[in-house]
Amino acid sequence: RKEVEQDPGPFNVPEGATVAFNCTYSNSASQSFFWYRQDCRKEPKLLMSVYSSGNEDGRFTAQLNRASQYISLLIRDSKLSDSATYLCVVGGGKLIFGQGTELSVKP
Amino acid sequence: GAVVSQHPSRVICKSGTSVKIECRSLDFQATTMFWYRQFPKQSLMLMATSNEGSKATYEQGVEKDKFLINHASLTLSTLTVTSAHPEDSSFYICSASPRWGGTNEKLFFGSGTQLSVL
Repeated sequence: RKEVEQDPGPFNVPEGATVAFNCTYSNSASQSFFWYRQDCRKEPKLLMSVYSSGNEDGRFTAQLNRASQYISLLIRDSKLSDSATYLCVVGGGKLIFGQGTELSVKP
Repeated sequence: GAVVSQHPSRVICKSGTSVKIECRSLDFQATTMFWYRQFPKQSLMLMATSNEGSKATYEQGVEKDKFLINHASLTLSTLTVTSAHPEDSSFYICSASPRWGGTNEKLFFGSGTQLSVL
């Protein structure tokens, strides 16, 4: 089993759609959780940290369920500029990256 | 936010040559630096962690004699791919943290180096 596993992509959605990404992790001792965004052949950029209480930043909402070892990211009213690969990242000793889920938002 | 400069951004070299990639933290002291490799359509894989003043710690399966890491100062780390072969062609990214260990907080990434070995 992979340490961090994400939905296989790609997700192709129209502008304005709501899209949800799911991620599970295997190490129950993990201490920190993030969503990163990566554009093709560029460095990952932090989108948001994820907390047990859930957190929201504009159109983006992240949730963490420690009991289920599950992390989610919801994007509402998707824009063309949201097209990228979304990486689920889990920390605790070292950062472990999921394989990423590619999102393509079409006009 | 903090800036990490990585260069070169792209390298094309012949098989058997060595390639050096530099990673600099521009506005903070990078106590810890990480080197990752990413193959197409795959995730970032941690290659090694280097703490300033200590030898790098390599992940399982990464050859330390092939991928030489030098954390020369609090602002500079280099990765040298020795005797590169086509299978070493990949996207290499560094990241830096101001904290020792620095794995439980966001990292600052370099812009990556695309290595193509002919």
